[in-house]
Amino acid sequence: EAQVTQNPRYLITVTGKKLTVTCSQNMNHEYMSWYRQDPGLGLRQIYYSMNVEVTDKGDVPEGYKVSRKEKRNFPLILESPSPNQTSLYFCASSLQGEDNEQFFGPGTRLTVL
Amino acid sequence: QKEVEQDPGPLSVPEGAIVSLNCTYSNSAFQYFMWYRQYSRKGPELLMYTYSSGNKEDGRFTAQVDKSSKYISLFIRDSQPSDSATYLCAMSADTGNQFYFGTGTSLTVIP
Repeated sequence: EAQVTQNPRYLITVTGKKLTVTCSQNMNHEYMSWYRQDPGLGLRQIYYSMNVEVTDKGDVPEGYKVSRKEKRNFPLILESPSPNQTSLYFCASSLQGEDNEQFFGPGTRLTVL
Repeated sequence: QKEVEQDPGPLSVPEGAIVSLNCTYSNSAFQYFMWYRQYSRKGPELLMYTYSSGNKEDGRFTAQVDKSSKYISLFIRDSQPSDSATYLCAMSADTGNQFYFGTGTSLTVIP
């Protein structure tokens, strides 16, 4: 089944404890992206990647890191999480080209205490 | 000014009504326009995708883009209770570039 998977789905952590949220897609998509969704602010793009070893900052990259060593994986790293990073995170992927449909993962609910 | 503005609602309509959802934007470079539907506790899923100006129809859904006014719309005909969800507009200047989403409009269709 074509899908984007994220792990973990739920995470409660404490300020300053490094964490990684994994994202994997099995559709051979070049483009991958991370978003955070907050009430009243909608979906905001954190980082995106047009292909392996190519990453770019989105609207809200501060406090986050990403890497794209393989086409299928795009992990999101929070080196020192803070409470303002408490949010719902979505990973998405799509083909390059005119078909711009992004397929979203199920989301990761992160709480930083 | 935000790149994309969308009325958050909530919007409540009776079953069978025509629903109109709208977004405005400020960046004239946007060429790709999308509408996503998001059910509670799920990721967004693409509903409609339009390149540049014009209309696109898919079943009960029609997407319109007016680049001269920087305004996009989604119309839902014969709305159903299963259409109850949050609808997000999204846009980008080029494929593989940064995407900008509206804040979403919450829609409830009452049986």
